[in-house]
Amino acid sequence: TQLLEQSPQFLSIQEGENLTVYCNSSSVFSSLQWYRQEPGEGPVLLVTVVTGGEVKKLKRLTFQFGDARKDSSLHITAAQPGDTGLYLCLGSGGGADGLTFGKGTHLIIQP
Amino acid sequence: DTEVTQTPKHLVMGMTNKKSLKCEQHMGHRAMYWYKQKAKKPPELMFVYSYEKLSINESVPSRFSPECPNSSLLNLHLHALQPEDSALYLCASSQDGRGSTEAFFGQGTRLTVV
Repeated sequence: TQLLEQSPQFLSIQEGENLTVYCNSSSVFSSLQWYRQEPGEGPVLLVTVVTGGEVKKLKRLTFQFGDARKDSSLHITAAQPGDTGLYLCLGSGGGADGLTFGKGTHLIIQP
Repeated sequence: DTEVTQTPKHLVMGMTNKKSLKCEQHMGHRAMYWYKQKAKKPPELMFVYSYEKLSINESVPSRFSPECPNSSLLNLHLHALQPEDSALYLCASSQDGRGSTEAFFGQGTRLTVV
């Protein structure tokens, strides 16, 4: 099973601050997805990145896929309390395992 | 339609009960997954079905028995569970089990074993 290392695992910041979450692996992925999950609910897909070096923006969220397709980052600008949740990266196409989750980042945005 | 539907949303069962979790998708996806998620942890892969055949079983105890009756449905049969099996069970689907493909998740079944 490929490993996706996600950091930080926990982050608590004030509303209005910026933050970056990282997802790293030694494996090459065909694509990588970012999800946000609220307690007791299923993960909700935010974005899929496919091409090395790709950058995608979703309002205040910016996602980047590394040139070698082994790592990705999620940057949130001017974080808001509604951004609170568990952020998960999921790599696919890395091998026979199919889908590999990172350990997740628990994000708390305090008003 | 990117919906994966799981039923029931909540389930409480005794250790001697037999119950089933159900998952359905109509996106034409040919890979379906069961994950188990404990509080404050990421989802852990249990089973993968690819083209209705079990392709991955992550050493899951036999008290969990998956079934894929057709390309749209995935069941998880539960029997003689333990309290430590209480968790959120997530179903997901993707176009196939490999390659550049997005996974979509259901809302989960919150299982409590008493």
